[in-house]
Amino acid sequence: AQKVTQAQTEISVVEKEDVTLDCVYETRDTTYYLFWYKQPPSGELVFLIRRNSFDEQNEISGRYSWNFQKSTSSFNFTITASQVVDSAVYFCALKGNFNKFYFGSGTKLNVKP
Amino acid sequence: DTAVSQTPKYLVTQMGNDKSIKCEQNLGHDTMYWYKQDSKKFLKIMFSYNNKELIINETVPNRFSPKSPDKAHLNLHINSLELGDSAVYFCASSHGGPYDTQYFGPGTRLTVL
Repeated sequence: AQKVTQAQTEISVVEKEDVTLDCVYETRDTTYYLFWYKQPPSGELVFLIRRNSFDEQNEISGRYSWNFQKSTSSFNFTITASQVVDSAVYFCALKGNFNKFYFGSGTKLNVKP
Repeated sequence: DTAVSQTPKYLVTQMGNDKSIKCEQNLGHDTMYWYKQDSKKFLKIMFSYNNKELIINETVPNRFSPKSPDKAHLNLHINSLELGDSAVYFCASSHGGPYDTQYFGPGTRLTVL
């Protein structure tokens, strides 16, 4: 079975704090792909990153970084020095062998000034 | 240029009516999807088409019928609308290959009164 769990329903931080959004996945596929999407208050879904199951290198893009650990089936997302514009719902997603994406339930991030 | 577009952005209608939502992508992708996002932000796939052929058909009432006139378009027609159909509907597209990333449209907020 394919499943993505985002245990944190909502997180509130003060601007400039670092925050980590957790994502734990389940899959029996040997090859799979993990994604993060951002949904700001305006409602659109914005692609942030894709990671392949055979590439466990962490990735950094500006204030964003992602930590992929197959041993714990986790793909966590860290925002460094958070800003108000980071306030959004963040979705983690999994794609296995078939063309089907499984989304987590989302984590709502509130960044207060 | 808009990559994935949907019309209309907002749709308010009475119970029992029939309505359609249109989706177009100019990314040259082969695969298109419809998702439903409920009030709790949970994203659930409804349908997927690859080159005009239906490849994913989740447990969705027969009142929902997708139509793909060509691989750049995937429309969603809903018959006999019910209150529970109120949600945001997202169209998405992807190449459909192994290195697959879905790109989403802006969403259509459907309100059934």
